[in-house]
Amino acid sequence: NAGVTQTPKFRILKIGQSMTLQCTQDMNHNYMYWYRQDPGMGLKLIYYSVGAGITDKGEVPNGYNVSRSTTEDFPLRLELAAPSQTSVYFCASSYRRGPEYGYTFGSGTRLTVV
Amino acid sequence: DQQVKQNSPSLSVQEGRISILNCDYTNSMFDYFLWYKKYPAEGPTFLISISSIKDKNEDGRFTVFLNKSAKHLSLHIVPSQPGDSAVYFCAARGYSGAGSYQLTFGKGTKLSVIP
Repeated sequence: NAGVTQTPKFRILKIGQSMTLQCTQDMNHNYMYWYRQDPGMGLKLIYYSVGAGITDKGEVPNGYNVSRSTTEDFPLRLELAAPSQTSVYFCASSYRRGPEYGYTFGSGTRLTVV
Repeated sequence: DQQVKQNSPSLSVQEGRISILNCDYTNSMFDYFLWYKKYPAEGPTFLISISSIKDKNEDGRFTVFLNKSAKHLSLHIVPSQPGDSAVYFCAARGYSGAGSYQLTFGKGTKLSVIP
């Protein structure tokens, strides 16, 4: 019963570097999401996926890319890291229907860009 | 523009008393409202939800009330316990097209329950 697993938990990047935040879920959920949370702010949707091979932009997609080759995995790619991308990143998953159960979130990746 | 607003950044309540967390929204097309609880260094955890066609949903110590005419919902915790101390996020679900939905989150309210 791992749920949603995110790696790494912490990372410091230099400006211009790239990295991939990993997200895996073992609940066979079709829907997966990437959110970022800046200090004192709510979660903002970066990208989401409704199933393998299908992704779409959320509210704040600039500077990020995603892929969904399997149901389980939904990695988030930062190509040219900028200080504005310093944030806590959360991956989540859900059933296609059933908002009464909400999303299942991972424990987050704290990213600092210096 | 902020479609989901939690205007109180923090709230302190005595143990055993009622905690009331408030949330306002602007988009009348939201069809579900949810509350999430978040402890430091953890991801948000789903707490309770309510459909837009209902005005109340109860789950143990947690009750959510929805006033559609006022575009307002509230989470009541009775009685409050020290373990309830966390940040509470209000979220609203809206249709984003092609059969998919998205959640819009408020900024959160930090609840401190004082023993």
